Amino acid sequence: AQSVTQPDIHITVSEGASLELRCNYSYGATPYLFWYVQSPGQGLQLLLKYFSGDTLVQGIKGFEAEFKRSQSSFNLRKPSVHWSDAAEYFCAVGARSNFGNEKLTFGTGTRLTIIP
Amino acid sequence: DTGVSQDPRHKITKRGQNVTFRCDPISEHNRLYWYRQTLGQGPEFLTYFQNEAQLEKSRLLSDRFSAERPKGSFSTLEIQRTEQGDSAMYLCASSRGTLYEQYFGPGTRLTVT
Repeated sequence: AQSVTQPDIHITVSEGASLELRCNYSYGATPYLFWYVQSPGQGLQLLLKYFSGDTLVQGIKGFEAEFKRSQSSFNLRKPSVHWSDAAEYFCAVGARSNFGNEKLTFGTGTRLTIIP
Repeated sequence: DTGVSQDPRHKITKRGQNVTFRCDPISEHNRLYWYRQTLGQGPEFLTYFQNEAQLEKSRLLSDRFSAERPKGSFSTLEIQRTEQGDSAMYLCASSRGTLYEQYFGPGTRLTVT
């Protein structure tokens, strides 16, 4: 069964500083990988996804992530954070099961706090 | 896209009562998912529909839970005889098909007192 580990429960960074959120996954085949963001009272919004091809993927809001098969990682990065980036970030792995179900398995999330 | 909508956004109920939640997916999406998210955790898969057929259920979905998607449009999730452990955010997501992203609704927050 697939699993996702987000080792950092809470990260605090200064506005304008760079950001890296860690994600490690466990899956037997080539994974589909996602990063979602959740703001208070809001649903999950997809930041970016990796299915195949270029291992560096660009997403919305200036985020990018790099798939490293050798390290089973899919870390999220942003060169300069804005106060509006404060939210909960979830890494997820998607795996096709029977009947075409592409259910997502999420990590426990990393809460990002931005300080002025 | 008008997005995925869920109703109600919040529900407070007493233990032992039945509750029903509704999810309206994006209109052209044939795949619909229910997830449950408890405090401090990521969402966990509950069940999956392709059109009107419920094709997979998680072990998390006890026999007190039932989900339907009549005519392959909106879906309902019913919890019978609610327990305090059912308190969570219930999220609905829909997608167009294979390798398409899942769009999530805002969720229904259930509190069982």
